[in-house]
Amino acid sequence: SQTIHQWPATLVQPVGSPLSLECTVEGTSNPNLYWYRQAAGRGLQLLFYSVGIGQISSEVPQNLSASRPQDRQFILSSKKLLLSDSGFYLCAWRTPLAYQETQYFGPGTRLLVL
Amino acid sequence: AQTVTQSQPEMSVQEAETVTLSCTYDTSESNYYLFWYKQPPSRQMILVIRQEAYKQQNATENRFSVNFQKAAKSFSLKISDSQLGDTAMYFCAFMKPSYSGAGSYQLTFGKGTKLSVIP
Repeated sequence: SQTIHQWPATLVQPVGSPLSLECTVEGTSNPNLYWYRQAAGRGLQLLFYSVGIGQISSEVPQNLSASRPQDRQFILSSKKLLLSDSGFYLCAWRTPLAYQETQYFGPGTRLLVL
Repeated sequence: AQTVTQSQPEMSVQEAETVTLSCTYDTSESNYYLFWYKQPPSRQMILVIRQEAYKQQNATENRFSVNFQKAAKSFSLKISDSQLGDTAMYFCAFMKPSYSGAGSYQLTFGKGTKLSVIP
């Protein structure tokens, strides 16, 4: 069966510090991968998605970036965090097979920027 | 662009009773998918149920069922025999399939309904 991992689970970082959040998927090949952010009391906002190694699409301009160095690894980064980057970050995957539209989410990372 | 609206920020229901959560959406697409996700206090997003727009039959998953009204662009979730473990945020989400082969299959979420099940 497929599983998705995210780490760290919780992170407290000062403003201006770098960021690296990692997401890995097991049990599937060539998944579509997604990074979402959930601000307090709000729905999810898609930040990035990837359909393959090295292929990243950005949905929202910001100081965050994403990379996919391996088939089942998706990394969210920032060179300098802003207060507004605080939130709950969720990684999700879906199989690239046709008619399999469901996205499955990881446990999330809670980021607090102080 | 698609929008998803959940007009009930908070709801409560007595244990063992039935509750219905509302969701409306706006799209010009004829083929799409709709989802309900549950986010308990642990904050992991869990798929509850999905509906394909081309199917007239409403989806059901055990105690969870939907009322899909395509013409009205309405997609409500009914929870029967509510249990304490159903306490969570519930998000309605819309997905337009990508036909280009390299699309994002992007989910658009509503702002959620906080459901509390009262013992």
